[in-house]
Amino acid sequence: KAGVTQTPRYLIKTRGQQVTLSCSPISGHRSVSWYQQTPGQGLQFLFEYFSETQRNKGNFPGRFSGRQFSNSRSEMNVSTLELGDSALYLCASSLDGGHEQYFGPGTRLTVT
Amino acid sequence: AQKITQTQPGMFVQEKEAVTLDCTYDTSDPSYGLFWYKQPSSGEMIFLIYQGSYDQQNATEGRYSLNFQKARKSANLVISASQLGDSAMYFCAMIDDRGSTLGRLYFGRGTQLTVWP
Repeated sequence: KAGVTQTPRYLIKTRGQQVTLSCSPISGHRSVSWYQQTPGQGLQFLFEYFSETQRNKGNFPGRFSGRQFSNSRSEMNVSTLELGDSALYLCASSLDGGHEQYFGPGTRLTVT
Repeated sequence: AQKITQTQPGMFVQEKEAVTLDCTYDTSDPSYGLFWYKQPSSGEMIFLIYQGSYDQQNATEGRYSLNFQKARKSANLVISASQLGDSAMYFCAMIDDRGSTLGRLYFGRGTQLTVWP
């Protein structure tokens, strides 16, 4: 059974640009959650999608958005990038969001 | 309020010895789940073990066991027979079953484990 995949693995962008990250969950999993990890703030929850609906959202500005497709694949978008958006972005998939969550390898975003 | 507390920023253990990583949690929800993840320097978060709040027995997965003490609200991870490859950051996390927070894991700050030969 394939694990969670995230693309791209590494990304370098400049301030003001926008970026789209992709996450493909484990087959059969319908929930995808996104997290931002930085040395200063640790792991912070961005949002969770289940069956194409955003069920839960963390405390991030509106520049951070996401969506989920009918095949459960999810994308997150960050517009007008800031230096502080440099982080490891992790997505996690689970059957229903309430139990074991499995993470992808992450996308390391660097904003210059 | 912080939901997960890991008080040990760093731990050192000799190869083949056992080590306990501490985790305390805070929730008023009677139904919740507790997790431990391992994050090597590559960045990937590796699922280790899960304990549900209603599980009667402590969870075990190979060399990993979770010492669940509900009254104390603690969920310590015990790694037996440490190996050099166990050197990594370890995160304790919790999920509660409230509808508004479903799908959201609360993480601690992590404990950096170093295994020396």
